[in-house]
Amino acid sequence: QKEVEQDPGPLSVPEGAIVSLNCTYSNSAFQYFMWYRQYSRKGPELLMYTYSSGNKEDGRFTAQVDKSSKYISLFIRDSQPSDSATYLCATTSGTYKYIFGTGTRLKVLA
Amino acid sequence: NAGVTQTPKFQVLKTGQSMTLQCAQDMNHNSMYWYRQDPGMGLRLIYYSASEGTTDKGEVPNGYNVSRLNKREFSLRLESAAPSQTSVYFCASSKTVYEQYFGPGTRLTVT
Repeated sequence: QKEVEQDPGPLSVPEGAIVSLNCTYSNSAFQYFMWYRQYSRKGPELLMYTYSSGNKEDGRFTAQVDKSSKYISLFIRDSQPSDSATYLCATTSGTYKYIFGTGTRLKVLA
Repeated sequence: NAGVTQTPKFQVLKTGQSMTLQCAQDMNHNSMYWYRQDPGMGLRLIYYSASEGTTDKGEVPNGYNVSRLNKREFSLRLESAAPSQTSVYFCASSKTVYEQYFGPGTRLTVT
C-alpha cells in the first residue's frame, strides 16, 4: 500500500464549478500537508499547506485535513480554465523527505 | 531572481552512456533535492542535501550519484544510463519544511 493515495483522474468540470480533489494517507506521523499545482511540462509549485488538522483558505482555494480519517482535500471554488493542471498532494512528518501523491489531472472546460 | 534552474532541458542517451544533470538555485536555500517523475508513480525522491557538504539517499537512489558543489549547486550523475532511467528529473530547493521550489525539469530518454 502506498503511503499516499490519490485518484489520477482525469477530472473534467465546467467553468464555475466547485472542484474537490482528495488524497488519503496511511502514516499517522505526517504533520504537514501540501498541495502543489503542476502545469503541463512545468515544475510543481506550492499552492497551499496546512499543519496538522483543520482548514486553510486562500482566495478560491480551501485546503482541509482530517487526521482522524487520514484524509486531505483541496476545494476550488468558481473554477477557471486557467486552473486546468495536475494537482499533487504531498506530506511529511516534519523532515525534508516528502511523500507525494501521483497527482490528479483537472480540466476546466470554458 | 531566477529561482531554480536546470540544464539541460532535454537529453537523449544511449544505454551505458553517462551524463550529469546540473541544478542551481539563487534563493540562498540550505536544502536541495533531486526527484524523478514517472507516469502513475508521482514524484519520487532520488537524493537530497540538507545543507552544503551533506547528501542522503531518498527513495530511489540506485544508479545515481550526487554532488553538492556549494550552497547554490547540486548535480545528479548517471554513470551508466539504463532505459529504466527514462524519466523527467526535477531539482528543488527549500528553506522551510513545508515549501519546496522546483526547477523546470529535464526530460531524459535512454534508448
